Amino acid sequence: NAGVTQTPKFQVLKTGQSMTLQCAQDMNHEYMSWYRQDPGMGLRLIHYSVGAGITDQGEVPNGYNVSRSTTEDFPLRLLSAAPSQTSVYFCASSSGQETQYFGPGTRLLVL
Amino acid sequence: LAKTTQPISMDSYEGQEVNITCSHNNIATNDYITWYQQFPSQGPRFIIQGYKTKVTNEVASLFIPADRKSSTLSLPRVSLSDTAVYYCLVGDVFNDMRFGAGTRLTVKP
Repeated sequence: NAGVTQTPKFQVLKTGQSMTLQCAQDMNHEYMSWYRQDPGMGLRLIHYSVGAGITDQGEVPNGYNVSRSTTEDFPLRLLSAAPSQTSVYFCASSSGQETQYFGPGTRLLVL
Repeated sequence: LAKTTQPISMDSYEGQEVNITCSHNNIATNDYITWYQQFPSQGPRFIIQGYKTKVTNEVASLFIPADRKSSTLSLPRVSLSDTAVYYCLVGDVFNDMRFGAGTRLTVKP
């Protein structure tokens, strides 16, 4: 199993550009989520999904969109990038609501 | 909202046992307690999870008193590679859990 994979590993954007961060898992997990982590801080939940076709907002959803068309994939879209979205983004999946498996992260720099 | 409180940082030396305590005074009856470890530039990694009393795996032990208002992660005989940030989480990952700043453990030679 590859576990949770994320692409790209690093991305530089200009303010106002859009992009999609990819996340995939091969563990047949129902639950998937996106977090952002700013320097020296813990992770904050952006959006999550409890199954294909079902998504909901987390703690910091503004500026981000998600969709879950398949069990395996959970892409995160930045509609119009802002410098405040410079962060490291982690995707996670789980079979239940307690233990999560995290991907390696995507470092995003918005200029 | 199950809020957790843990020390910001701890120092230890190789070969010592390290105990990190987390306070969670308003833990709900059905909440589990989960600990994660995070190395720089990596995602958090699950260490251990428990509900009450004591849980042990190949990496760590988790001690939970009867009132469940706190928990202690115990790392036996730490090495330099255990230097990381450790997070204590309580409850439902989507509704109650919050990754706070965690405890930054530094293991010295």
